[in-house]
Amino acid sequence: EAAVTQSPRNKVAVTGGKVTLSCNQTNNHNNMYWYRQDTGHGLRLIHYSYGAGSTEKGDIPDGYKASRPSQENFSLILELATPSQTSVYFCASGDRDWGGFYEQYFGPGTRLTVL
Amino acid sequence: GDSVTQTEGQVALSEEDFLTIHCNYSASGYPALFWYVQYPGEGPQFLFRASRDKEKGSSRGFEATYDKGTTSFHLRKASVQESDSAVYYCALGDRAGNTGKLIFGLGTTLQVQP
Repeated sequence: EAAVTQSPRNKVAVTGGKVTLSCNQTNNHNNMYWYRQDTGHGLRLIHYSYGAGSTEKGDIPDGYKASRPSQENFSLILELATPSQTSVYFCASGDRDWGGFYEQYFGPGTRLTVL
Repeated sequence: GDSVTQTEGQVALSEEDFLTIHCNYSASGYPALFWYVQYPGEGPQFLFRASRDKEKGSSRGFEATYDKGTTSFHLRKASVQESDSAVYYCALGDRAGNTGKLIFGLGTTLQVQP
């Protein structure tokens, strides 16, 4: 079974509207991440979390908020969506492996279109 | 800041060809290096990693060797198949700390013709 799931898989929103993207993981990992993927930019980190109740800014946090209410769930919130936020969003979970290094496990992605 | 450069944006090969995708990194510390693969409609998947100089990582016929001297981690495969068509990402990860953050290159799209 998929260990990182995202919902919705596709979303069309209007400019100025609020959008919430949800992520659930069953890996029992402490860390979770939100990325966006755009042609010419690869994967860019928006927010991440060390565990329930924590959120940290990534490399491109402007216009986004995050919420980590539990170990399993991590949400990305766009309070006022803009067309520039049209993208594919990936959630990932991660923890130290046997060698002490982190690996990340990605969900299937959410395609967001803001009109 | 730290960064990863993948030289090729797109690579087109025929089945049984030899593959090389070049990856160079710039880092202030001594990072771990990773390759991820992304198939159409899916999220990136961990392929393998290396964590020290001269270490070779490998999986599914792909391999790369950590070279601290040339700051490189080039991906190679001796004989590609059509099923290898995907986007390949090189990434570096901080050795210390608890963030587990990865810095990704822009990705290389591999298209293999039958």
